[in-house]
Amino acid sequence: TQLLEQSPQFLSIQEGENLTVYCNSSSVFSSLQWYRQEPGEGPVLLVTVVTGGEVKKLKRLTFQFGDARKDSSLHITAAQPGDTGLYLCAGAVERGFQKLVFGTGTRLLVSP
Amino acid sequence: GAVVSQHPSRVICKSGTSVKIECRSLDFQATTMFWYRQFPKQSLMLMATSNEGSKATYEQGVEKDKFLINHASLTLSTLTVTSAHPEDSSFYICSASDRGKQPQHFGDGTRLSIL
Repeated sequence: TQLLEQSPQFLSIQEGENLTVYCNSSSVFSSLQWYRQEPGEGPVLLVTVVTGGEVKKLKRLTFQFGDARKDSSLHITAAQPGDTGLYLCAGAVERGFQKLVFGTGTRLLVSP
Repeated sequence: GAVVSQHPSRVICKSGTSVKIECRSLDFQATTMFWYRQFPKQSLMLMATSNEGSKATYEQGVEKDKFLINHASLTLSTLTVTSAHPEDSSFYICSASDRGKQPQHFGDGTRLSIL
């Protein structure tokens, strides 16, 4: 059973601070995705990383896929209240069709 | 972009009732649809994968007779929670993709509350 552990589980910070969320597994994934979910809504895709060591930037968000494709990190620079939400990593498992295994989630609260 | 519509967004019903949730792909053909369940303050857990025209594949621990999935067309999959009980109360989310490829496109979820 593939498991994706995220840390921290919960993070409360002030506007302007930087933060990093980690997503770790003992399994190898063909790709890894990061989502943000607002209460009462479905998750929204932020990025997909495919190649080991890959780094992608989305404005103030920087995503990195580990060299061995077992782990990933999300770094947010100068966090804003609009960044508040549940951040989920999800690993794609290839078994004829691609199934996603979601991480345990990181709840971020950014206060003004 | 690809849009997935889920209906209803919220349902409250009495224990013992069967509840049907619809998941529609509005602008693409979804050969594969996924059903997830999310308990409060937890992550998404995959319940089952359905491919159009064939039986759904259920994850370990998910009762197939309890959660009936029908994927009769390339744009519609339904999840029926049969004889629902309070412990079935949860946030149910569907996603759809073309032939199981990434990315999956997620619906906005259905909040099910069983009294």
